Amino acid sequence: DGGITQSPKYLFRKEGQNVTLSCEQNLNHDAMYWYRQDPGQGLRLIYYSQIVNDFQKGDIAEGYSVSREKKESFPLTVTSAQKNPTAFYLCASSTPGEGTDTQYFGPGTRLTVL
Amino acid sequence: AQTVTQSQPEMSVQEAETVTLSCTYDTSENNYYLFWYKQPPSRQMILVIRQEAYKQQNATENRFSVNFQKAAKSFSLKISDSQLGDTAMYFCAFMKPITQGGSEKLVFGKGTKLTVNP
Repeated sequence: DGGITQSPKYLFRKEGQNVTLSCEQNLNHDAMYWYRQDPGQGLRLIYYSQIVNDFQKGDIAEGYSVSREKKESFPLTVTSAQKNPTAFYLCASSTPGEGTDTQYFGPGTRLTVL
Repeated sequence: AQTVTQSQPEMSVQEAETVTLSCTYDTSENNYYLFWYKQPPSRQMILVIRQEAYKQQNATENRFSVNFQKAAKSFSLKISDSQLGDTAMYFCAFMKPITQGGSEKLVFGKGTKLTVNP
């Protein structure tokens, strides 16, 4: 089945540790995105990538890093510089140019800092 | 910068009845897209419906339809024949396409929590 997978579903981190969240898609989409969701809030964009080996900062990129070495994969690293990393993280993908530009989401990763 | 406002933090409806969720947005753009996403307790974000600003006809998807008022910058979602499975957070979102191709970010409202009661 085509879709977007995120792993792990739940992740616990000690303060001062870096952690990497996985996002993989087999939809052959060009663009991928990382959003953060906090309680009572909508989603906010962390980073996005429109093509392989290229990515741009979103609204809240500080304390996060990404890579886009393969079209299918867009991992997000939450570094120790992120002041308040406990949140729900959602990955999305889309294919621009088809007239849709609709973003489809993965199931999310819940990150908790202990 | 674009903003999206959902003025109803919570709503409830009886099964089989109709409910309308409100959304307003602020933009100076003429060409853009609007979306409603549903987030059930599983927290998976699911696309409900999409509207292109250049289309005057309101989008419909089965029991879901929108009332798009471009001049008023309003984009409400109507759910007909509400079902228990419609219980979820509903997010309104705005997106501005970039002219040279590629997708812009989605700007989300804070959501409306809808409960469908049996």
